[in-house]
Order: sequence, then structure tokens, then C-alpha cells
Amino acid sequence: DAGVTQSPTHLIKTRGQQVTLRCSPKSGHDTVSWYQQALGQGPQFIFQYYEEEERQRGNFPDRFSGHQFPNYSSELNVNALLLGDSALYLCASSHRSRGNQPQHFGDGTRLSIL
Amino acid sequence: GNSVTQMEGPVTLSEEAFLTINCTYTATGYPSLFWYVQYPGEGLQLLLKATKADDKGSNKGFEATYRKETTSFHLEKGSVQVSDSAVYFCALSNSGYSTLTFGKGTMLLVSP
Repeated sequence: DAGVTQSPTHLIKTRGQQVTLRCSPKSGHDTVSWYQQALGQGPQFIFQYYEEEERQRGNFPDRFSGHQFPNYSSELNVNALLLGDSALYLCASSHRSRGNQPQHFGDGTRLSIL
Repeated sequence: GNSVTQMEGPVTLSEEAFLTINCTYTATGYPSLFWYVQYPGEGLQLLLKATKADDKGSNKGFEATYRKETTSFHLEKGSVQVSDSAVYFCALSNSGYSTLTFGKGTMLLVSP
């Protein structure tokens, strides 16, 4: 049973560039959430996708956008990258109709901005 | 809004010592509470959870009890091992969307 998978594992970009991160949810899950974890901090919620729509959003600027595909996989896009966007980006999945179930996390994508 | 406060680390212990990591929360309604663990270079793994007051979550020798009167969910283990060295995150969820609010994490270092 495959868990949550994310790609790429590591990524290096420069300021002003754009980046796309990808996530495949755990088998049987239909909801994907994205979190940003800065060094030494806890993860911060970015947004959540269900039925291919953004359902909830945290306190992140519009430079952060996403998409969910019919197979439930998801992408996180960040435009006009800033040095402060350097972080570990975590994807988590869950099943919407099973109530408040724990989210399952992938190993993350480490994004470094030069 | 929701918030989670954890004791600052690192917590440094010798093998077989008793562990307590304090966690308190602020939330509306009746949140579910979680402890996640993060090993170096990895994502988060769910360690244990509790969904209502007085529930005790337990896993791998770790325990935490949901105390609504003190808004706390302290993590305990009777005898830690070197392999328990990791960062521990307390978190809560009180929306139907299952989104999580995390504390800043507590690093645990266990020496032989």
C-alpha cells in the first residue's frame, strides 16, 4: 500500500523563478493538503484540495497556488520565489468522508532559494 | 484562533529515562489532538491521537491524555531509547477539513 509520495526530493531555485511540486496521495485518499515547514519550525497550513477545488486556505499570499487532478494527485505552484520561501514542503492526504481522520504525510520536498 | 504551545527543546535524556514533553492548546469547540514524530530527513509520522476529553492515545510505549480542563496533551514515555531521538510535534484539528495546527516542535536527544 503506497503512502504519500512527493517529487522532487530536493530542488534549488533562484529568486524570482517559479516552481512546481507534486504529490500523490495515499491509496484510498481523496483530499490533499499542503504545508510549509521552515527550518526549526512546525508545519504551517497552506491550502487543501478536495474534488479538484481549493476548500480551505491558510495565511499565504496568492503567489502560492495549487491544483488537484481527477486521480486526486496534486501540484503546488509558487511564483516569484523569495528567499523566505526556502523550506520543506509537505503534502498530506486524508479521506474526506471519514470525518476528522489523521492526515498522512509524505517525506516532503526540500526547496532552497539562492 | 487555534494555537499549540510546546515546551522548547532540546530535551536531552539518557537511555531508559522517563520522558515528558508538555503541550497546551487553544481552540474553539472540541478539537482532536495529535502527536507526530519527525526523524531526520523524513516527513511526519502520526504517533498517537485522542479525539475527546479524557481519551488516552498510546503507541510504541508513548502515551498522552486529552485534558480539557487544563487544555493539555502532554506526551510521556516510561523508558526512552536512543532510537526515539527525533523531533516531536503536538497538533490539533477542529475543522471538518482535518487541517492541522502544529506547535513548533520539541527535539529529543537520547544518549546511550
